[in-house]
Order: sequence, then structure tokens, then C-alpha cells
Amino acid sequence: EVQLVESGGGLVQPGGSLRLACAASGFTFSSAGMNWVRQAPGKGLEWLSYVSSGASNIIYADSVKGRFTISRDNAKNSLYLQMNSLRAEDTAVYYCARGGGDSWGQGTLVTVSS
Amino acid sequence: DVVMTQSPLSLPVTLGQPASISCRSSQSLVASDGNTYLHWFQQRPGQSPRRLIYRVSNRDSGVPDRFSGSGSGTDFTLKISRVEAEDVGVYYCMQGTLWPRTFGQGTKLEIK
Repeated sequence: EVQLVESGGGLVQPGGSLRLACAASGFTFSSAGMNWVRQAPGKGLEWLSYVSSGASNIIYADSVKGRFTISRDNAKNSLYLQMNSLRAEDTAVYYCARGGGDSWGQGTLVTVSS
Repeated sequence: DVVMTQSPLSLPVTLGQPASISCRSSQSLVASDGNTYLHWFQQRPGQSPRRLIYRVSNRDSGVPDRFSGSGSGTDFTLKISRVEAEDVGVYYCMQGTLWPRTFGQGTKLEIK
């Protein structure tokens, strides 16, 4: 069974940093492109970033480019999102999702507030 | 960026009746490989999104056959043949053809 489990969310002050992780199991992680998607409270889904299976191709949404960094460790079956210079508008549930969105994690809440 | 426009945004439906959601893209979603990467997701209250339909009309594993997808180019539709109580939630279309990936605003389905 495919499982994606996010962690690392929490309360952070504006301007601060946070690193999210997504632990994958039940499939060959090293063969899968992975995404981060977020959902602000009461709002819709916003795609943030993609990393290809071997990390040779990385894409960001303009809203996070230059502030967020996606990475992966195929030896650890893990996906990461380093988030810097956080703003109030980054408050959201952050999901990792496999490839074309066929599997999603349960999400981790990030709250940016003083 | 490709803008995905869904309608309606709110969809009250009587149990057992059909429902239809439209999704229009600002550009053609036909990729260079000939495939059209338009997917549909369901998000039930308090849950993570779940993909229902991939590449316009292919149902994901475990998705009831009352869900169907159709369309081409820039115009797509998700249909539910007979709405059940468990179908309550928000439905999103998403294009996976062009970067950045973009979602529709979401359509909230409720039981009338």
C-alpha cells in the first residue's frame, strides 16, 4: 500500500524557516516524481513544486520561487521542502503527492504568525 | 500560467440525481506526446484530496463507475450519474500538461 506521511509543520514567526518532510513507503520512491501542494484555510489547492525521480528536474511556482527549496533523498525514501522567509500567506496545510497526484499524504499544518 | 476555470462553484444535488462539473483551461492541454493531462480530484470534508480521474477519462482504482470524465482540448467535464451521500465534498480539476501545474477553484457538491 502506498503511504505518504508528512511531518515538520508547526507555528513559526514571519521571516522564519521550517523544513517539511514526507516519508514514502509502499512503492519504488526512487522511480517517482514528487510534488508539494498546499491548501490555505478554507481555500483551494495550490501546486508548489515538483522534483523528478533523480532530482535532475525541479520546478517551482512563482509564489515560492527563491524562498522554498524542494529536495529528496532516495536512499531514505524521503521528500523535503525547505521553507525560508515565511509569510503569513504561507499559512496552509502542506501535502506531498506522488507524480500525477495518484497518492497524497495526510498533510501537515504550517502556521506563520507572530 | 494556464488558468483553470470550473463551474459551477456550488452544486446542490438531490440524492440519486446526476451532477456535472465543467472545467475549462485557458490553453490547450494536449501535450507534445499526444496525451491530455487533465485530472479530477475529490476532497471530502476533513480529508486529503483523492484522484478520481486521470488523463480526462480514466478512472483510478477503486473509483465507482458512476464517476466519468470527458472532454478534449480546453473543455472538460466530470459527471456523476447518481449522486450518493459519500460524494459530498469539493471537486477540483488540475492540468498536468504545462508548468506550473494549476488547479481549478473547486466545486463544492452538497446534498439538497
